[in-house]
Amino acid sequence: QKEVEQNSGPLSVPEGAIASLNCTYSDRGSQSFFWYRQYSGKSPELIMFIYSNGDKEDGRFTAQLNKASQYVSLLIRDSQPSDSATYLCAVNTNAGKSTFGDGTTLTVKP
Amino acid sequence: DADVTQTPRNRITKTGKRIMLECSQTKGHDRMYWYRQDPGLGLRLIYYSFDVKDINKGEISDGYSVSRQAQAKFSLSLESAIPNQTALYFCATSDRVYTGELFFGEGSRLTVL
Repeated sequence: QKEVEQNSGPLSVPEGAIASLNCTYSDRGSQSFFWYRQYSGKSPELIMFIYSNGDKEDGRFTAQLNKASQYVSLLIRDSQPSDSATYLCAVNTNAGKSTFGDGTTLTVKP
Repeated sequence: DADVTQTPRNRITKTGKRIMLECSQTKGHDRMYWYRQDPGLGLRLIYYSFDVKDINKGEISDGYSVSRQAQAKFSLSLESAIPNQTALYFCATSDRVYTGELFFGEGSRLTVL
C-alpha cells in the first residue's frame, strides 16, 4: 500500500462546477497535510494546508481533514479553466519530510 | 530572480556519465530537499538535509549522492547515470520552524541516453 494515495484521474468538470479531490494516507502519526498545484511543466506551489480535523476555507478552496478515517480532501468551488492542473497531496510526519501522492489531473472545461 | 535556483535546467547525457545538479537558495532556509518526478508518479524524495552537517537518505537514494556545501547550496550527483534516471528533478527548501510548506526550484530535466 502506498503511503499517500489520491483518487485516480484525470478529473474533468465543467466551468462553474465543484471539483472534489481526495487523498488517503497510511501513517496515523501524520500531522500536517498539504495540497500543491502543479501546472504542466512548472514546479508545484502550495495552495492549502491543514493541521486539524474539520474544514479550512480559503477563497474558492476548502480543505477537509478526517484523521480518524485518514482522509483529506480539497474542494474547488466555481471551478475555472485556470484551475486546470495536477493537484498533489502531501503528508508530513514528525520526521519533517513530505510524502506525496501521485497527483490528480484536473481539467475544467469552458 | 528565483528564490530557489536550479542548474542546469535541461541536460542530455549518456549512460555512464557523471552528472551534477546544483541548487542554491536565497530564502535563508535551513532545510533542503531533492525530489524526483516521473510522469504519473508524483514526487519521490531522494535526499534531504536539515542543516549543513545533516544529510539523510530519502525513499529512492540508490544511485545518487548529495553534498551540502553551505546553508544555501545543495547538490545532487549521479555518479554513473543510467536511462531510468531520466526524470524531472526538483530542489525544495523549507524553514526551521517547519510549517511544512516546501518552496520549489523550477526543476532540472535530465535525459540519460
